[in-house]
Amino acid sequence: GENVGLHLPTLSVQEGDNSIINCAYSNSASDYFIWYKQESGKGPQFIIDIRSNMDKRQGQRVTVLLNKTVKHLSLQIAATQPGDSAVYFCAENKAGGGSNYKLTFGKGTLLTVNP
Amino acid sequence: EPEVTQTPSHQVTQMGQEVILRCVPISNHLYFYWYRQILGQKVEFLVSFYNNEISEKSEIFDDQFSVERPDGSNFTLKIRSTKLEDSAMYFCASSETLAGVPDTQYFGPGTRLTVL
Repeated sequence: GENVGLHLPTLSVQEGDNSIINCAYSNSASDYFIWYKQESGKGPQFIIDIRSNMDKRQGQRVTVLLNKTVKHLSLQIAATQPGDSAVYFCAENKAGGGSNYKLTFGKGTLLTVNP
Repeated sequence: EPEVTQTPSHQVTQMGQEVILRCVPISNHLYFYWYRQILGQKVEFLVSFYNNEISEKSEIFDDQFSVERPDGSNFTLKIRSTKLEDSAMYFCASSETLAGVPDTQYFGPGTRLTVL
């Protein structure tokens, strides 16, 4: 049937290259940001997070950069592997009622790693 | 590694029927959430739950939806009278939030709901 969903930005890279996935967020009051990876038919899987008092955080093969001035977030994946192929979502954690928070997800970027 | 689990993985129902989607959050987490993802679209927040009550809900979460923590381990989402447009993946998530500072939300594998 016709795909009436959102058109996802796509990024295609060669195995071993570095990948950079970008995200613009909307709420300057957001204080916590997360990158999730979603493989087909599965739930979002936590990759890395960063709080608004930081501008860079590194994990294993991944780095998240936060630019609060322009409300921009990026995820860098080093030495991309075929297993990294998935849709990557950034999410803002916005204060909800009381001390509880909800996530607002971005559109997602489809990363395809070519062997 | 502890994880959020959900059952069933796929639920098919007739329009107008009630469905209950089940989740077992991570055992030491105190905050629970439901999200949904219509095919090809963004993940959308439905509801958050803490201390046996709803903390926040979106405009999607109308009177047809309800949540419950019937015991110490399960967290359920009930849709009273399903509509075609309720067809989606429903994800449960849980988090441990410390002194009001948000913490990571961990997601389950989802339940695919198909309303015919």
